[in-house]
Amino acid sequence: QVQLVQSGAEVKKPGASVKVSCKASGYALNGYYMHWVRQGPGQGLEWMGWINPNSGDTNYAQKFQGRVTMTRDTSISTAYMDLSRLRSDDTAVYYCARERGTGDAFDLWGQGTMVTISS
Amino acid sequence: DIQMTQSPSSLSASVGDRVTITCRASQSISTYLNWYQQKPGKAPKLLIYAASSLQSGVPSRFSGSGSGTDFSLTITSLQPEDFATYYCQQSYSVPPWTFGQGTKVEIK
Repeated sequence: QVQLVQSGAEVKKPGASVKVSCKASGYALNGYYMHWVRQGPGQGLEWMGWINPNSGDTNYAQKFQGRVTMTRDTSISTAYMDLSRLRSDDTAVYYCARERGTGDAFDLWGQGTMVTISS
Repeated sequence: DIQMTQSPSSLSASVGDRVTITCRASQSISTYLNWYQQKPGKAPKLLIYAASSLQSGVPSRFSGSGSGTDFSLTITSLQPEDFATYYCQQSYSVPPWTFGQGTKVEIK
């Protein structure tokens, strides 16, 4: 079954870091770009960046530059999103999403990982 | 960055109604426009890509149209499972991929 399975919910303190994983199954991770999108409580969808799992190349939204790192481990078909210096407004559900093709739509999504920032 | 504006922000409709949601881009995006459906507590689901192409497995009551800056998503004969929030997304001038603010379709 083609799917993306993400790691579980996290609670972090302000200033800490969080690493969310996204395991691909049923297809080759390095065949498609992987994106990360987040959604704050009651808010819309916000694109964070992408990683080319084949090369490891990344591109991050300007808003997250310097705080986000996207990596992958192709041996276990898993992509990762690491967000540092967490603030209360980083509380959100974080999704990984597969891109169909270059400059295209996101056709497969993970189930989401809730990250709560609380002191 | 290209801004995407959806209208309305919410609407109430009855089962069997025809519903149309519009999305406007701040500049021309050709047909690089995608539509997603999101139900509470769930991940978004791709419905339409390239403005009018139906994603595999999506019911034919969903259709998309438009090009340039103005687009629409139409649901003919709204079904109970269609009550959700719908987002448009441009994939023309990327990065960044940008989304509309969403349209919530509620039961009248």
